[in-house]
Amino acid sequence: RKEVEQDPGPFNVPEGATVAFNCTYSNSASQSFFWYRQDCRKEPKLLMSVYSSGNEDGRFTAQLNRASQYISLLIRDSKLSDSATYLCVVTSSGGFKTIFGAGTRLFVKA
Amino acid sequence: EAQVTQNPRYLITVTGKKLTVTCSQNMNHEYMSWYRQDPGLGLRQIYYSMNVEVTDKGDVPEGYKVSRKEKRNFPLILESPSPNQTSLYFCASSLIAGDYNEQFFGPGTRLTVL
Repeated sequence: RKEVEQDPGPFNVPEGATVAFNCTYSNSASQSFFWYRQDCRKEPKLLMSVYSSGNEDGRFTAQLNRASQYISLLIRDSKLSDSATYLCVVTSSGGFKTIFGAGTRLFVKA
Repeated sequence: EAQVTQNPRYLITVTGKKLTVTCSQNMNHEYMSWYRQDPGLGLRQIYYSMNVEVTDKGDVPEGYKVSRKEKRNFPLILESPSPNQTSLYFCASSLIAGDYNEQFFGPGTRLTVL
């Protein structure tokens, strides 16, 4: 079983739709949680950190459930520019070790 | 401009021919890390460094070496490359290791080993 698991998709949604991505992790000692975004053949870039209290950044909302070892990302009012691969990322061992999920691909259509 | 640079960006080589991929950051970051990305597997951590002269293995260190003699540089060395090391490689850095530190990635190096 992979340490961080994501639905690979692809998710095909129309502009304006709301889409949700899920991620589960197996190491209960995991410490930090993130969503990164990766455009095709480019480097990953931080989208947002994920805190236990949940956090929101504009159209993006992230949630963490430590008891269920589950992380989510909600994108509201999808834009064409949201088309990318979304990577769930978990760190452990004081933040030194980083585990990436395989990513969920999103296509937003006009 | 704050950035992580990698060289070369593309490399085709043959089995057994030693190579080095360089990584450099200009942000005075303490933490640096190397990843490889393969289809369906996502990014996997090869090695990381908490500071100068301090390195440790990630999940897939076999066949790779690293060194951290200066804070800004973290080269990845393949002493005897094999075809299963054909991959897209990313270097990353963050200010310090620890909770909730954003990693900044280089543009990637696409390596093909024939």
